[in-house]
Amino acid sequence: DAKTTQPPSMDCAEGRAANLPCNHSTISGNEYVYWYRQIHSQGPQYIIHGLKNNETNEMASLIITEDRKSSTLILPHATLRDTAVYYCIVRVPEAGSYQLTFGKGTKLSVIP
Amino acid sequence: DSGVTQTPKHLITATGQRVTLRCSPRSGDLSVYWYQQSLDQGLQFLIQYYNGEERAKGNILERFSAQQFPDLHSELNLSSLELGDSALYFCASSVRTGLSGIEQFFGPGTRLTVL
Repeated sequence: DAKTTQPPSMDCAEGRAANLPCNHSTISGNEYVYWYRQIHSQGPQYIIHGLKNNETNEMASLIITEDRKSSTLILPHATLRDTAVYYCIVRVPEAGSYQLTFGKGTKLSVIP
Repeated sequence: DSGVTQTPKHLITATGQRVTLRCSPRSGDLSVYWYQQSLDQGLQFLIQYYNGEERAKGNILERFSAQQFPDLHSELNLSSLELGDSALYFCASSVRTGLSGIEQFFGPGTRLTVL
């Protein structure tokens, strides 16, 4: 799995967009980008994933650069409940075995 | 609520003891994953079962073992416990989302404290 680099922490004002970057410069052509988050001591929660096109769901948007070497997770209107550690994971979805390799992630603090 | 249940929520035991953690996946999910989260190691994959069979192994110690039963619930057995085994243990089950996505649903975790 390609290695990812994320800033250790970020702050965001409540109601503003939170933009969380992830660098994955060694990503290969068949690797996908997945985002999960973990609210304090709870189980991680899936947010979104993508290959090369931008993706949007009810939780967030994922912007992947054209060269696929980096991506940004966007929470359009951050709330206090979005305070969590956000993990960017890059991997190939292999048949039958989908374990996740978590790095240190980015601790997002949403400030009132 | 992810639909994945884990029991117990908290477990306090002594070094050298053996404990069993239990996980029930979401209805219909065949895969169960176990992860360990400690302060110094972060979230680490331990082992995966698929429909009763071991599918993948991660950084699981020999003192640890797991199994998945015909009703698809899984148990993680930790023996000869050491202080360093104190951690949060998460179970997850997965569903395929389209051609590429694998969404894992995590349980609330079991917090193990070894004294």
